[in-house]
Amino acid sequence: NAGVTQTPKFQVLKTGQSMTLQCAQDMNHNSMYWYRQDPGMGLRLIYYSASEGTTDKGEVPNGYNVSRLNKREFSLRLESAAPSQTSVYFCASSGGGPLHFGNGTRLTVT
Amino acid sequence: AQSVTQLGSHVSVSEGALVLLRCNYSSSVPPYLFWYVQYPNQGLQLLLKYTSAATLVKGINGFEAEFKKSETSFHLTKPSAHMSDAAEYFCAVNYAGGATNKLIFGTGTLLAVQP
Repeated sequence: NAGVTQTPKFQVLKTGQSMTLQCAQDMNHNSMYWYRQDPGMGLRLIYYSASEGTTDKGEVPNGYNVSRLNKREFSLRLESAAPSQTSVYFCASSGGGPLHFGNGTRLTVT
Repeated sequence: AQSVTQLGSHVSVSEGALVLLRCNYSSSVPPYLFWYVQYPNQGLQLLLKYTSAATLVKGINGFEAEFKKSETSFHLTKPSAHMSDAAEYFCAVNYAGGATNKLIFGTGTLLAVQP
């Protein structure tokens, strides 16, 4: 019962570096999401994918790109990291019902 | 645009006391509403959801919430707090509907339970 798996759990980047956050779900869900969580701001949607082969912007997409590699996997890429992207990133999936969340990736950009 | 407001970023109660966490929504159409709980260093877990079937919704761990259209509220309650209820709680509204299920989250309420 893995559910939604995110890697890595922690990451420290220098300003300007790039990295990809990985997410995989084993529940055969069509929809997948990337959120960022910041203190006092709740969770904000970065990008989502309603189904394999489609992606759309959420509230805060600037500085990010995504790839829906297949039905299971949805990755989030930071091409040139900035300190403002220091946050906890959550991946989630849904089969039309409630969202199921991973345990998050804590990213620090120095 | 739809939004949710959670009043009180921090709430502290004594063990055994009533828990009341407030959530108000703004929506031009009947929304789907959710409460999620987040324990330290974990993702969010669904506590309960309102989907218009019944105004009083019962969730896991003894929590319930009542949808009040006249007050645009969906407050979360539990009659008797337990130490294990200490966590952050998020109210959320669905603003797309259907299979897309995009959620807008409130800013969260951190619940502390004192012995």
